[in-house]
Amino acid sequence: EAGVAQSPRYKIIEKRQSVAFWCNPISGHATLYWYQQILGQGPKLLIQFQNNGVVDDSQLPKDRFSAERLKGVDSTLKIQPAKLEDSAVYLCASSLMRGDKNIQYFGAGTRLSVL
Amino acid sequence: GQNIDQPTEMTATEGAIVQINCTYQTSGFNGLFWYQQHAGEAPTFLSYNVLDGLEEKGRFSSFLSRSKGYSYLLLKELQMKDSASYLCAVKGNTGKLIFGQGTTLQVKP
Repeated sequence: EAGVAQSPRYKIIEKRQSVAFWCNPISGHATLYWYQQILGQGPKLLIQFQNNGVVDDSQLPKDRFSAERLKGVDSTLKIQPAKLEDSAVYLCASSLMRGDKNIQYFGAGTRLSVL
Repeated sequence: GQNIDQPTEMTATEGAIVQINCTYQTSGFNGLFWYQQHAGEAPTFLSYNVLDGLEEKGRFSSFLSRSKGYSYLLLKELQMKDSASYLCAVKGNTGKLIFGQGTTLQVKP
């Protein structure tokens, strides 16, 4: 079974530029998550989708971050304009949303450096 | 507020046993997860506890005490490949996972 795919793996941009990340979840997983992981910290949830609807975006800085999952499968996360403090790894995860466990499976992430 | 505490770093010797502790204060509790994350890689699921007690899975075991807001991950017969970051995460009332900062474990020969 293929895992969660993310691209690109690395991205370097200057502040005030725009950047977009792509995620393809595990086939059949209805729930998709975007996390931000700053060096030395645990992942922090930015947004959660159930199919193509947003379940939780309470920690998404909506003045600069946006995300979509138009067809309920793959998703893009965009930052416009980027700030220095956005330097982090952006992780995508997916889950079946069935049962108590609801294990989240993560992609390898996109490492963003904002200069 | 929501708070999950883990030690930042631990060091152990190959072949030994190490226990990584996690304490939590969250809005509600619907399960506790442990993930392993090697540098530059995806977090991978290790264990899940929702009831008090010990869950054993090969060399790894995880323990939960809901009344104490406490969990630990026990790694036996340590191998060099176990050098990684170990993330404790609690699922609260909303179903959202709240992660601790992670514990970086270094296994030495």
